[in-house]
Amino acid sequence: DVKVTQSSRYLVKRTGEKVFLECVQDMDHENMFWYRQDPGLGLRLIYFSYDVKMKEKGDIPEGYSVSREKKERFSLILESASTNQTSMYLCASSPGDMNEKLFFGSGTQLSVL
Amino acid sequence: AQTVTQSQPEMSVQEAETVTLSCTYDTSESDYYLFWYKQPPSRQMILVIRQEAYKQQNATENRFSVNFQKAAKSFSLKISDSQLGDAAMYFCAYSNGRGTSGSRLTFGEGTQLTVNP
Repeated sequence: DVKVTQSSRYLVKRTGEKVFLECVQDMDHENMFWYRQDPGLGLRLIYFSYDVKMKEKGDIPEGYSVSREKKERFSLILESASTNQTSMYLCASSPGDMNEKLFFGSGTQLSVL
Repeated sequence: AQTVTQSQPEMSVQEAETVTLSCTYDTSESDYYLFWYKQPPSRQMILVIRQEAYKQQNATENRFSVNFQKAAKSFSLKISDSQLGDAAMYFCAYSNGRGTSGSRLTFGEGTQLTVNP
């Protein structure tokens, strides 16, 4: 089975801190995604990557950046965390073929105090 | 931009009964893909069912089936013989299926399903 692993299940950070959320997939998938999930808003795409060192902005990229130096790893970076970035963050991956299903990690609940 | 709307924030069903979750979407595309994902308390999102817009036939997966109405831009999920393990948040999602963005999904707000014993 495909495994998408997010480094932390829960994370508490202070306003202004630089925060790294890590995601690793073990199935050689081309595509990787970062979503944030908020009650009543569903999942919203922050960034995605379709190849190593390639990235595209999603619907809500402001305040975030990403890094994909290796195919299996996709990092989400909050340069200066703010309280409105308190949320559930979900990483996902999919094969290169279009419209194959997404495989999700178990999420990181981030609280910024 | 495409949008996906789930108008039922919460639904409940008795065990063994049938429940239908609603989803509408807005797109100017003629070819696209629709999905239902389930998120149980473990938070692990799982694909329930997938529909390709060019296919007339409604998709089915065991107890799960969809009612795809392309003209009405409606994509509802029917769960038959509901089980306690079906309790979860359900998300409807859309993909335009083109280019490098082909796997990029737009999600609805979600419907929290409770199954009563």
